[in-house]
Amino acid sequence: GAGVSQSPSNKVTEKGKDVELRCDPISGHTALYWYRQSLGQGLEFLIYFQGNSAPDKSGLPSDRFSAERTGGSVSTLTIQRTQQEDSAVYLCASSLGGSSNQPQHFGDGTRLSIL
Amino acid sequence: DAKTTQPNSMESNEEEPVHLPCNHSTISGTDYIHWYRQLPSQGPEYVIHGLTSNVNNRMASLAIAEDRKSSTLILHRATLRDAAVYYCILRPINNAGNMLTFGGGTRLMVKP
Repeated sequence: GAGVSQSPSNKVTEKGKDVELRCDPISGHTALYWYRQSLGQGLEFLIYFQGNSAPDKSGLPSDRFSAERTGGSVSTLTIQRTQQEDSAVYLCASSLGGSSNQPQHFGDGTRLSIL
Repeated sequence: DAKTTQPNSMESNEEEPVHLPCNHSTISGTDYIHWYRQLPSQGPEYVIHGLTSNVNNRMASLAIAEDRKSSTLILHRATLRDAAVYYCILRPINNAGNMLTFGGGTRLMVKP
């Protein structure tokens, strides 16, 4: 079946511009996570959505970062006034529920490069 | 959070079994043991998880020590496509929505 889909796969933009990254989770998955991964580094948690509950935004690095999830499905991560340190691979994952017994299924990410 | 320790790298020959070890001596009774892997230029991929008993699925087997202080991911016949970084992580049972935190992992190289 269809996995987690992210778009665009690559994004190059100038410093100071805004970017929007999209995630289509697996159908029926109520939990959705955003992470980022810098070259050769581990995962950095950004934000978590579960059903209609308020999202856990504790990982967002600054107020330039925001995310929304419409209709409990598609999610968009927005970065305003991008900085060079925002360059990374942004990964989205979904799972059937938020419990730790549910594996997370990842997309292949959006590689963001800030010039 | 309980920590895991894995070798930095391992090598295997194609079509031979691979045993990837993970130490988690401070594991609590309510931690699941999860394994993920990440192939080059791809997102992480779930492999397997377990709590106390050994587990098998189409990708791999997970052998958990009786005291749960270590576990071993077993790939029965390595293929070139199995070359990846393998991550062993612990996830508390009652921590809904907890994010994944990867350590260094084991880089598996498969020789033809």
